[in-house]
Amino acid sequence: GAVVSQHPSRVICKSGTSVKIECRSLDFQATTMFWYRQFPKQSLMLMATSNEGSKATYEQGVEKDKFLINHASLTLSTLTVTSAHPEDSSFYICSARDGGRALNIQYFGAGTRLTVL
Amino acid sequence: DAKTTQPTSMDCAEGRAANLPCNHSTISGNEYVYWYRQIHSQGPQYIIHGLKNNETNEMASLIITEDRKSSTLILPHATLRDTAVYYCIVSMGTGNQFYFGTGTSLTVIP
Repeated sequence: GAVVSQHPSRVICKSGTSVKIECRSLDFQATTMFWYRQFPKQSLMLMATSNEGSKATYEQGVEKDKFLINHASLTLSTLTVTSAHPEDSSFYICSARDGGRALNIQYFGAGTRLTVL
Repeated sequence: DAKTTQPTSMDCAEGRAANLPCNHSTISGNEYVYWYRQIHSQGPQYIIHGLKNNETNEMASLIITEDRKSSTLILPHATLRDTAVYYCIVSMGTGNQFYFGTGTSLTVIP
C-alpha cells in the first residue's frame, strides 16, 4: 500500500523559533499533498493544499506567512511553523494523494506532535 | 465545512459486527463517500470508499442508500484493535479536499 512518512514524530521547541516538518511519499508520486492540524479531542482541520511546483492554497483563517509550505518535488512537502508560540502546539498531520491514480484517496502520515514552550 | 453527521460514540462487543452510520443528505452527484479511522495519536487510515454501489474489501463493507443521503460502514467481526475514531467524508473524486467532521468514537468491548 501507499506509504507516507512524516518527520519528526515529536518536536519540542522554544517560543520564537521555527520548526520544519517533512512529509514524504515513499512509493508513489504525490502531485497533491495536504496539511492538517488537530487539537486534543478534536477532529482534523485542513490547513492547506499543496500542489507540486506551485504555491499552496491556504484555508480561511490560516496564516500563510506563519505556516510556510513548500512542495518542491513529487515526493516531498514541508511545513515550516515560523516564530512558533505556545498556541501553535498541536498535532500536525500531512497526507498525500497518489497522482498516478484517478481516485481521490489520501494517504496520511503518522503525524508530528509539536510542543512550544 | 464537513458535509456529514455521525453519532459521537458507539460501543460494540468483540466478535460482533460494528455498524457505523453516517448522514450526508447534501451530497452531490459526483461526490464519493470515504471512510477513514484514526487510532489514538496516529494518522488516519483509509478504510473504504464508494460512489453509489455497495462496496466490500478486506477491512469492511460500505452500504450506501439508494438516494445516497446516508451510508453505513460495517466491520463484520470487530476486534479490540478496531477501537478508534471513524470518520465519514464526502468529496469529489478528482483531488478535492477532505473536510473532516467530528467522527464516531468506536469502543470495542471484550
